[in-house]
Amino acid sequence: QSALTQPPSASGSPGQSVTISCTGTSSDVGGYNFVSWYQQHPGKAPTLIIYDVRERASGVPDRFSASKSGNTASLTVSGLQPEDEADYFCSSYAGNNNNVFGTGTKVTVL
Amino acid sequence: QVQLVESGGGVVQPGRSLRLSCVASGFSFGSYTMYWVRQAPGQGLEWVADISSDGMITHQSDSVKGRVTVSRDNSKRSLYLQLNSLRPEDTAVYYCVRDLRGGYSHVYAYWGQGTEVTASS
Repeated sequence: QSALTQPPSASGSPGQSVTISCTGTSSDVGGYNFVSWYQQHPGKAPTLIIYDVRERASGVPDRFSASKSGNTASLTVSGLQPEDEADYFCSSYAGNNNNVFGTGTKVTVL
Repeated sequence: QVQLVESGGGVVQPGRSLRLSCVASGFSFGSYTMYWVRQAPGQGLEWVADISSDGMITHQSDSVKGRVTVSRDNSKRSLYLQLNSLRPEDTAVYYCVRDLRGGYSHVYAYWGQGTEVTASS
């Protein structure tokens, strides 16, 4: 199972928006509404921010939103704040009890 | 609050074995599917294995199939990962993770701090 494709990096100034794509296939992203997004700060464990394509996890601010179209899922962070600088990983169920993660995107707040 | 604490990592020679443990607290451990997810140095995340709430069903990724055994002891609120025939590519931080819901949703809601495994001579 190949990793989902994410851009290596994305950036924006405080208050701006940044959108991260996550591209898979019809066997994973396109085939199921089980896409999740995780945020990971350096040296820390990942934390869940979005599940089931667009549902925000408990305590996650509404600056974080997500969607899916075809084989590509997207995460948008609006009103960028310094604490949003982190790595972001998407994840999708891939059938047959398999799950696949994205390659990860490093978000920099300029 | 939900807490997951891993242990058992270390430096091991290739070909040897290692057993990782995870102790859970703050929730009804026996009601949730649990996962092991790993992250190689500077790399992304990789689902390794999972086990149903009652321990009767397990799955492993193709990259470790035949070399790992996942198990749990609900009476001890503990999750285990037996890693055999370790390879250099198994070098990673291994995270113990709880599912968001009771079943197999592969939504990784709660993560431990991780335990580091290094397979090197």
